[in-house]
Amino acid sequence: NAGVTQTPKFQVLKTGQSMTLQCAQDMNHNSMYWYRQDPGMGLRLIYYSASEGTTDKGEVPNGYNVSRLNKREFSLRLESAAPSQTSVYFCASSEGGTGGTAFLFGSGTRLTVV
Amino acid sequence: AQTVTQSQPEMSVQEAETVTLSCTYDTSESDYYLFWYKQPPSRQMILVIRQEAYKQQNATENRFSVNFQKAAKSFSLKISDSQLGDAAMYFCAYRRWGNKLVFGAGTILRVKS
Repeated sequence: NAGVTQTPKFQVLKTGQSMTLQCAQDMNHNSMYWYRQDPGMGLRLIYYSASEGTTDKGEVPNGYNVSRLNKREFSLRLESAAPSQTSVYFCASSEGGTGGTAFLFGSGTRLTVV
Repeated sequence: AQTVTQSQPEMSVQEAETVTLSCTYDTSESDYYLFWYKQPPSRQMILVIRQEAYKQQNATENRFSVNFQKAAKSFSLKISDSQLGDAAMYFCAYRRWGNKLVFGAGTILRVKS
C-alpha cells in the first residue's frame, strides 16, 4: 500500500543505548518530518527535511539526529537514549511548498526507555 | 511562533447527537491552512478536514464541518450524527505556506451509545 512506512512499531531501550528509527515514503514527496507525541502535548516537531539533501531542527531536537538518505528515506537516530525520550514517534511526508497539501503519517513507533 | 490551543481535554457526546470541538490559534500571517486530524486507538493519524484561510466559506466533509472565524483566530470542528467510530483523539493543526505543521494538544472525544 502506498504511504509512509515506519519501523519498528515498538521498541524498548535501556538508558544509554542507541537506535535508529527508519521511515520511507513512496508518494514521491519532497518533505519529510519526525514528530514525537506525548500526553497533553500533542505532536511536536523534532526535525524535518524540506527537500532531499536538507535537514532542519524543529521544536525539540535535543538528543536526536537525522539523515535524509534519499528522497524516499528519512531516519531518526537516538545516540544515547534517556527516559525523557519515551514517547510515540511519527514520521510524516508532504509534497512541500504547497501549504494546503495534507501531511501523510506513518503508523508510529512506541519507544520506551528504561 | 505559531501556537495552537485546544481548550477541551475531553468531550463526550451521545450517539447520533452533534458535538463541537474548539480550537484557537495565534499567528501574524494572513495566508495559512488549518487542519483537523483524527487519531483512533490504532494510533494512525487521519486527515478529517482542511480549511484555507483565504477562503471565507467553511469547509465541509460529509458529517464533519468547521466554523472558521479568521478575525477571532478560531477553527472549531462540528461532528453531526455522531457515531461510535468517531471516538478518537482529535488534533487541530496550523500550517503556513511551505512550512511545517503545528499541532494543538488534542481533545479526546468519547461517544456514548
